[in-house]
Amino acid sequence: EAQVTQNPRYLITVTGKKLTVTCSQNMNHEYMSWYRQDPGLGLRQIYYSMNVEVTDKGDVPEGYKVSRKEKRNFPLILESPSPNQTSLYFCASKVTGVGYTEAFFGQGTRLTVV
Amino acid sequence: TQLLEQSPQFLSIQEGENLTVYCNSSSVFSSLQWYRQEPGEGPVLLVTVVTGGEVKKLKRLTFQFGDARKDSSLHITAAQPGDTGLYLCAGDRGSTLGRLYFGRGTQLTVWP
Repeated sequence: EAQVTQNPRYLITVTGKKLTVTCSQNMNHEYMSWYRQDPGLGLRQIYYSMNVEVTDKGDVPEGYKVSRKEKRNFPLILESPSPNQTSLYFCASKVTGVGYTEAFFGQGTRLTVV
Repeated sequence: TQLLEQSPQFLSIQEGENLTVYCNSSSVFSSLQWYRQEPGEGPVLLVTVVTGGEVKKLKRLTFQFGDARKDSSLHITAAQPGDTGLYLCAGDRGSTLGRLYFGRGTQLTVWP
């Protein structure tokens, strides 16, 4: 089954404690991205990657890091989480063809930083 | 500044009513997609529209892409409680490896 898998689904952590949210896709997509979703603000892109070892900042990259060492994995790293990073996070991969574009999303990670 | 503006932000209607959600931009897109998101889940693609003026139907849902490829609409006929969810439009500027731009979404609630 084609899917994007994120872990963990829920995470409560304390300010300053480094954490990693994992993301893996099994569709061999080149493009992957991370979003955060907050009420009234919609989906905001944090980082994206166009291929292995190629990453770039999205709209809200501050406080986040990513890496793309393999095509299937795109982890999101919070080196020193702060309460304003409490949010719902989604990883996605994207495929584009002739007359067709689709983003596949993971099930989300609800992060609370206290 | 949001590249894609969706309206309305919230919509609460009775079962059986019709509704239209709009997605507007001043920019041209090579394609627009509509996604639906249910609580606790990631968005799921409903449709992609590519050609200016294109109309696509998915059962009671009708999607239209503006002639100038700057806007799109989603019309639901005879809404049902199962249509409840967050509807998101997303635009693609044309590069195969380019980013998607998302609107802020329309939260639809259909009451029995």
